[in-house]
Amino acid sequence: LAKTTQPISMDSYEGQEVNITCSHNNIATNDYITWYQQFPSQGPRFIIQGYKTKVTNEVASLFIPADRKSSTLSLPRVSLSDTAVYYCLVGGDNQGGKLIFGQGTELSVKP
Amino acid sequence: DAGVIQSPRHEVTEMGQEVTLRCKPISGHDYLFWYRQTMMRGLELLIYFNNNVPIDDSGMPEDRFSAKMPNASFSTLKIQPSEPRDSAVYFCASTTGTGAPEAFFGQGTRLTVV
Repeated sequence: LAKTTQPISMDSYEGQEVNITCSHNNIATNDYITWYQQFPSQGPRFIIQGYKTKVTNEVASLFIPADRKSSTLSLPRVSLSDTAVYYCLVGGDNQGGKLIFGQGTELSVKP
Repeated sequence: DAGVIQSPRHEVTEMGQEVTLRCKPISGHDYLFWYRQTMMRGLELLIYFNNNVPIDDSGMPEDRFSAKMPNASFSTLKIQPSEPRDSAVYFCASTTGTGAPEAFFGQGTRLTVV
């Protein structure tokens, strides 16, 4: 499994754009990059997934450079309710379905 | 579908007692995962099943922990005997298969062993 490295914590203010970068130098050819969000007292929930270039949905954007050794989750105009832990996962067919979560990034949004 | 359902939501037990946590995955999902989350160790994968068969239990802390999946709609995680260091939130999750499918998590069981 490709190891991922993220900042442990980040602070932001309401209305700002937040970018969380994840490093995954050993990503395999068939691996996808997936991000989850976890609120206190809840299980993680899927927010976005990508393979290369850029993916956007109603919640976030995911930017993946050509070498795929890193990825950046972008949250536009955050609000207090975006305060959560964000996890970056890398995996695909060769992991046999295994899902390993790293330490995640604890994002704190302040008013 | 109601999503992944875990029970109980909270469990308080005395050291030495047996604890059984339950999980009902989403219908049609082939994979089921058990995780444990603590402040110190984060979200740890304990064991996961594919089509009711345990695939990897290397994350199970010790012999006091056991997990079963008797059918596609039910799984249990048992701790016997329980110890205070087992206090944590235990999550169950399910997915549709390999590749990189979206994982759906239950609400978790908060276990406190006193």
